[in-house]
Amino acid sequence: NAGVMQNPRHLVRRRGQEARLRCSPMKGHSHVYWYRQLPEEGLKFMVYLQKENIIDESGMPKERFSAEFPKEGPSILRIQQVVRGDSAAYFCASHLGTEETQYFGPGTRLLVL
Amino acid sequence: DQQVKQNSPSLSVQEGRISILNCDYTNSMFDYFLWYKKYPAEGPTFLISISSIKDKNEDGRFTVFLNKSAKHLSLHIVPSQPGDSAVYFCAASGTSYDKVIFGPGTSLSVIP
Repeated sequence: NAGVMQNPRHLVRRRGQEARLRCSPMKGHSHVYWYRQLPEEGLKFMVYLQKENIIDESGMPKERFSAEFPKEGPSILRIQQVVRGDSAAYFCASHLGTEETQYFGPGTRLLVL
Repeated sequence: DQQVKQNSPSLSVQEGRISILNCDYTNSMFDYFLWYKKYPAEGPTFLISISSIKDKNEDGRFTVFLNKSAKHLSLHIVPSQPGDSAVYFCAASGTSYDKVIFGPGTSLSVIP
């Protein structure tokens, strides 16, 4: 059973460009969470999605950030018009729904130049 | 407002001895607590968890203790091994479907 997959592992963007981060949950998992880790900080919750639904987006910045988890395909975290402060590691986690543990992917390291 | 606190940014322990990592939380609504281990350039790996109805959970060399009245939990690693050197995150959630709130992490170094 493959774990949570994220791609790309590293992403470099210039200010003003768009960043798209993809997450494929573990097989059978229908709950996806996105977290961000800024340099020298812990992980901060961003958004919680189930298939085709956003359940909790209380950690998402109000502008430029959006997330989706379509019926088919991976979950996408989209950052429009990136700024240097968006440089961070973005982790996706998935959850079976019948147990509490979230399993994390390897992360996407975004660098904004 | 940091709901999950890990006041020791780093800890060094001799191989074979016990490592004790501490964590405090402020939200009494938390119902489930987890410890994750993280190596550089990798995602966090689930280590062990405990429900608020328990005060101890053990898995091999790892034991988590929960003191609800003090809003405190700790992770004990016995015996510590060099491969245990990593950043350890304490985390908590309100329900099984809730977001997980992470502490800032404690960097453990196990010295051979």
